[in-house]
Amino acid sequence: DGGITQSPKYLFRKEGQNVTLSCEQNLNHDAMYWYRQDPGQGLRLIYYSQIVNDFQKGDIAEGYSVSREKKESFPLTVTSAQKNPTAFYLCASSIEAGGHYEQYFGPGTRLTVT
Amino acid sequence: GNSVTQMEGPVTLSEEAFLTINCTYTATGYPSLFWYVQYPGEGLQLLLKATKADDKGSNKGFEATYRKETTSFHLEKGSVQVSDSAVYFCAVGGSQGNLIFGKGTKLSVKP
Repeated sequence: DGGITQSPKYLFRKEGQNVTLSCEQNLNHDAMYWYRQDPGQGLRLIYYSQIVNDFQKGDIAEGYSVSREKKESFPLTVTSAQKNPTAFYLCASSIEAGGHYEQYFGPGTRLTVT
Repeated sequence: GNSVTQMEGPVTLSEEAFLTINCTYTATGYPSLFWYVQYPGEGLQLLLKATKADDKGSNKGFEATYRKETTSFHLEKGSVQVSDSAVYFCAVGGSQGNLIFGKGTKLSVKP
């Protein structure tokens, strides 16, 4: 089955530690995205990548970093510089079809930093 | 840039009631419009989409029509079920293939 996997589902870290969230897709999609979701809020774009070895900052990139060494993988590192890292993180991928992009989401990783 | 405003929840309905969740957008050009649904503890699932004016997206009894004149994409369902309880997000396509989301509307359907 094609899809997007994110691991782990729950992640706990101490303040001051960097942590990397995994995102893998086997949909052969070119573009991948990371969003952050806070309670009562919509999703906010952290980083996106439209092609391997290239990525762009989204609206809230500060305190985060990414890499895109393979088409299938787009890991997100939450650094100690992120002021409020506790959130639900969602990875998505998309492919252009008929001039528009349709996004598919992974199940998410809930990160708690104490 | 593009933006989305959707009605705030929570919305509580009885089973078989009619559902409307309002969504309006601001955008340059004619972006695609989407409704996503999120069940507790899960990621988002695409519910329906519309890619041009007057298109009607539909899925699982839900419908939404792309109204350019009112810049709206309201979600409707004629008869909701308990299993429809979830958070619904309206989204508009951005310039980089990303999506811009509304804040979400939580729907609770009581038996």
